[in-house]
Amino acid sequence: QQPVQSPQAVILREGEDAVINCSSSKALYSVHWYRQKHGEAPVFLMILLKGGEQKGHEKISASFNEKKQQSSLYLTASQLSYSGTYFCGPFLRWGYNTDKLIFGTGTRLQVFP
Amino acid sequence: EPEVTQTPSHQVTQMGQEVILRCVPISNHLYFYWYRQILGQKVEFLVSFYNNEISEKSEIFDDQFSVERPDGSNFTLKIRSTKLEDSAMYFCASTRYRDKGETQYFGPGTRLLVL
Repeated sequence: QQPVQSPQAVILREGEDAVINCSSSKALYSVHWYRQKHGEAPVFLMILLKGGEQKGHEKISASFNEKKQQSSLYLTASQLSYSGTYFCGPFLRWGYNTDKLIFGTGTRLQVFP
Repeated sequence: EPEVTQTPSHQVTQMGQEVILRCVPISNHLYFYWYRQILGQKVEFLVSFYNNEISEKSEIFDDQFSVERPDGSNFTLKIRSTKLEDSAMYFCASTRYRDKGETQYFGPGTRLLVL
C-alpha cells in the first residue's frame, strides 16, 4: 500500500539534475510531493492532479502518469538548499468523509558544492 | 503567511505517563490530521478529524490515543499511557477543504521522547 520511491538516495553536485520516482499500487487521485529537512516538518512542494492539472514550485517540475500510477519529480540545476528527504504522498480517497496522505518510502537527496 | 503551530516543541516523559500534544491549525481550515515519524523512518498517518469527530484512523491509532478539539482553535492528541515505542516526532496538519487538490500544511512538530 505504501508508495515506493526510487532511488532511495541521490548525491549531486550543485547544478546537476535529478529525477525522483514514485509508484503506487493503488489508483491515485493526486500526488503530493513534500521535502523534509532533518529535524523539520515536511514542506509542500507540489500537487499533481488527475487530468493533468499541476500546481507547484517554480524551480521544480513533475509529471503524473495516471494509467501507470506513477509520478516523477524533476529537480534541475540543483542548489544546496535542495538537500533533504523527498516524499511523495498519494492522495487516496477512502470514503466520502476521509482523506489521508500515505507517504512514500522517501528519497534522500544530498547536494554538495 | 498563516501557519500551523504546535506545542511543546519537545516533550520528555516517563513510560506510562499521559501526554497531550497541542496544535493550532490555520484558522480557516476545517480538516485536521496527526502524523507520526519515528526517527529515520517515513511519516505515518495517525488520524484525520472533521466536524468534531474522527474521520479515519490508522492501525497505529489504538485505544491509547485520542484527539479532541476542545475549543475553536486548538486540536490535541492525547496518549494515555505512553510506551517506549511512542517516541517519535508528531506532526499536526490541516487543510481548508477535503479535496484532492488541497495542500496539507504541516506544523513544526513535537518531538516526544519516552524514557
